Order: sequence, then C-alpha cells, then structure tokens
Amino acid sequence: GAVVSQHPSRVICKSGTSVKIECRSLDFQATTMFWYRQFPKKSLMLMATSNEGSKATYEQGVEKDKFLINHASLTLSTLTVTSAHPEDSSFYICSADGLAGGQRKTDTQYFGPGTRLTVL
Amino acid sequence: GNSVTQMEGPVTLSEEAFLTINCTYTATGYPSLFWYVQYPGEGLQLLLKATKADDKGSNKGFEATYRKETTSFHLEKGSVQVSDSAVYFCALSPYRNSGNTPLVFGKGTRLSVIA
Repeated sequence: GAVVSQHPSRVICKSGTSVKIECRSLDFQATTMFWYRQFPKKSLMLMATSNEGSKATYEQGVEKDKFLINHASLTLSTLTVTSAHPEDSSFYICSADGLAGGQRKTDTQYFGPGTRLTVL
Repeated sequence: GNSVTQMEGPVTLSEEAFLTINCTYTATGYPSLFWYVQYPGEGLQLLLKATKADDKGSNKGFEATYRKETTSFHLEKGSVQVSDSAVYFCALSPYRNSGNTPLVFGKGTRLSVIA
C-alpha cells in the first residue's frame, strides 16, 4: 500500500528558531501534498496545498512567510516553521495523492503519521 | 460551503457494545465521504469511504452508509473491542475523485472501550 512518512516525529525547539518538517511518499509519486495542522482536541485544519514544481497555495489566515513550503520532487515536500513561537506548537500532518506513471493511482489521500512540534 | 458535523465525544463503551457515531455534512455537488481513525500517537488511517449516494463503506466490522436524503454518514459497529479505542474523524471531499483535493474534517470523536 501507499506509505507516507514524516520526519521528525517529534521536535522541541526554542522560541525564535526554525524547524523543518519533511513529508515523503515512499512507494509512489505525489504531484499534490497537503499540509494540515491539528490543535488539541480539535479537527485538522488545512494550511496549504503543495504542488510539485510550483508555489504552494495557502489557506486564508496562514502566513506564507512563516510557514514555508517547498515541493521539490514528486516524493518530497517540506514545511519550515520560521522563527517559531509557543503558539506554533501543534501537530502537523501531511497527506499525498497517489500518482503512478502520470496517471492517478488512487482516489484516496494517504496521510503521514504527523509531527508534534513543541516550542518552548 | 462544505462542512462536517459529528457528535461530540468522548464516547465510553464496554467491550462488545454497539457503536454509533453520528456524522452529517453540508456540501455542494457530489461529495465523497470518509471515516478516518487516529490511534494514540499515530497519524490518520482511512477506515472506510463511500463515493455516491446509498453506497455502504465497510472495514474491520465498521460500516457507514452514504445517505443523501439526510446528508448523513453515520459510523456503526456491532461489537466494539478495546483495540477500537481511538479518535474517529468524519470527512468529505467535494469531488468524487478526492485524490488531489483537500478534505474537510469534522472535529473528531474520541472512543474509549473498556474491558
């Protein structure tokens, strides 16, 4: 089956530092990856849509200069939280569509295991 | 717009009890509907889905039927186990082919099953 990994799974950092989170599709290619944020006891909120080779599309209210997204290849998207602050502490989850040989492999998204960010 | 409403948790049941988690939606067009499960410390896993009215999704003893007339997609299981303890999310995609469109999630319902 399709597997999506995220690295790191947990990260603790000091306020003001930047943190990079990687999202990889391990056994399939993904032209589109989504980044979600999950607050405690809340639902997942879409942050941005990441398309390979183009700029990400951010949802209203999400600061694109703070949450930098790069989708450099068909198997990797990165989310960088710049100058992190305690209010950025959250669970970040990515998902990817399935693409093989230029054709859509599946009509289902596959989710990564998530990255828990704690900013002190 | 598109939205999903599911029952507030937490839900606590004894092993072998019957489970229902209600989910209703609002959407334009013909959405696909999903249930995802999140076990403690893990990411979301697709539990089941339905892409058109009257479809029934099923997996691991869980079932949900796409009811267009009531805009609902309630999750049911006849006999829950301790291992079913998790958070369950109802979600929709505005389109039948949901691979490249973001999902809209409900707030999640935490289920605890006690032996």
